[in-house]
Amino acid sequence: KAGVTQTPRYLIKTRGQQVTLSCSPISGHRSVSWYQQTPGQGLQFLFEYFSETQRNKGNFPGRFSGRQFSNSRSEMNVSTLELGDSALYLCASSASGGSSGANVLTFGAGSRLTVL
Amino acid sequence: DQQVKQNSPSLSVQEGRISILNCDYTNSMFDYFLWYKKYPAEGPTFLISISSIKDKNEDGRFTVFLNKSAKHLSLHIVPSQPGDSAVYFCAASAVANAGGTSYGKLTFGQGTILTVHP
Repeated sequence: KAGVTQTPRYLIKTRGQQVTLSCSPISGHRSVSWYQQTPGQGLQFLFEYFSETQRNKGNFPGRFSGRQFSNSRSEMNVSTLELGDSALYLCASSASGGSSGANVLTFGAGSRLTVL
Repeated sequence: DQQVKQNSPSLSVQEGRISILNCDYTNSMFDYFLWYKKYPAEGPTFLISISSIKDKNEDGRFTVFLNKSAKHLSLHIVPSQPGDSAVYFCAASAVANAGGTSYGKLTFGQGTILTVHP
């Protein structure tokens, strides 16, 4: 069973640009969550999508957005990049997003974004 | 506001000995707790979990203990192996208590770097 796949693995952008990251969940998983990992803040929840609908959202500015497609694949977008957006962006999938029992989150390897 | 705290940034243990990783939380709404392990250049990997209705869960060499009154949980690894060397994250979720608003959301601690020496 293939795991969670994130692309690209590494990317470098400059301030003011925008970036789109992609996530393919485990087959059959309908919930996709996104997290940001930085040395100072640790792993922080961005948002969760299920059946193409955002069901939950963390405390991030509107520059961070996402979407989910009918095949459960998800993308997140960060516009007007700032230096502080440099981070590892992790995608996780689960069957229904419940975060417990059989629905524990399975993470991808992440996309490492560097903003110069 | 750090709702989940791992106060030890690092832990060093000899192979064969017990590793004990600790985690404290402040939010009484949390009712499900998980431990993830992370190697460099990889995403976190689920290790073991525990529901708030239990005080212990065991899976092979890994045991998680939950003390709800103290809002404290710990992960015991016995015996520790060099391959266990990684960053360990404690995470919490409000499942039953959140009225359906906790979807996909885990609150993580800052992580503890475990080094197991041969």
